[in-house]
Amino acid sequence: GQQLNQSPQSMFIQEGEDVSMNCTSSSIFNTWLWYKQEPGEGPVLLIALYKAGELTSNGRLTAQFGITRKDSFLNISASIPSDVGIYFCAGPYGNKLVFGAGTILRVKS
Amino acid sequence: DGGITQSPKYLFRKEGQNVTLSCEQNLNHDAMYWYRQDPGQGLRLIYYSQIVNDFQKGDIAEGYSVSREKKESFPLTVTSAQKNPTAFYLCASSAGPETLKLFFGSGTQLSVL
Repeated sequence: GQQLNQSPQSMFIQEGEDVSMNCTSSSIFNTWLWYKQEPGEGPVLLIALYKAGELTSNGRLTAQFGITRKDSFLNISASIPSDVGIYFCAGPYGNKLVFGAGTILRVKS
Repeated sequence: DGGITQSPKYLFRKEGQNVTLSCEQNLNHDAMYWYRQDPGQGLRLIYYSQIVNDFQKGDIAEGYSVSREKKESFPLTVTSAQKNPTAFYLCASSAGPETLKLFFGSGTQLSVL
């Protein structure tokens, strides 16, 4: 089936640092979604992207739809302790949504 | 408040036992999904339903069963045929199959006694 590769697998950063993570697929997508999951909870949608080259922000979060349509990037500026969690990328595969394995973010205060 | 409610939050299964996880939504969404999450892995699709009285197998349906008798409800049964049931189970819904913006419940942690 379709696979999404996320990197890095995990990050342990200092509070205030910027964070970058990315997601690549083996096929072209027309939608990219980014979710955040906090411990013991379900994922929450952060940003949705629908067009190649699109750059969308949500507060300190910025996501980009890669121009090749096979990748997407998520940046978090000036990280804070409540940014901890698992960040998932997701994209459509037929009429289903497939997810990457996630990037675990830990923040040192 | 509209949302998706999963219950129970924690569930324990004895060997050979079937257990049922509840998922209810009041978002008036047509499509509902069940995912399984294991540590270090992405979410894997178990079953999904795009309309009442209809559902399809996902990538890891073996050992699971579902029903969709009402638009609001999509219960998942973990049968005794599922030999490795310990996982975090997530239910989600979307407005329809053409929109894949999924809204998730808060999950059920299933463990084996």
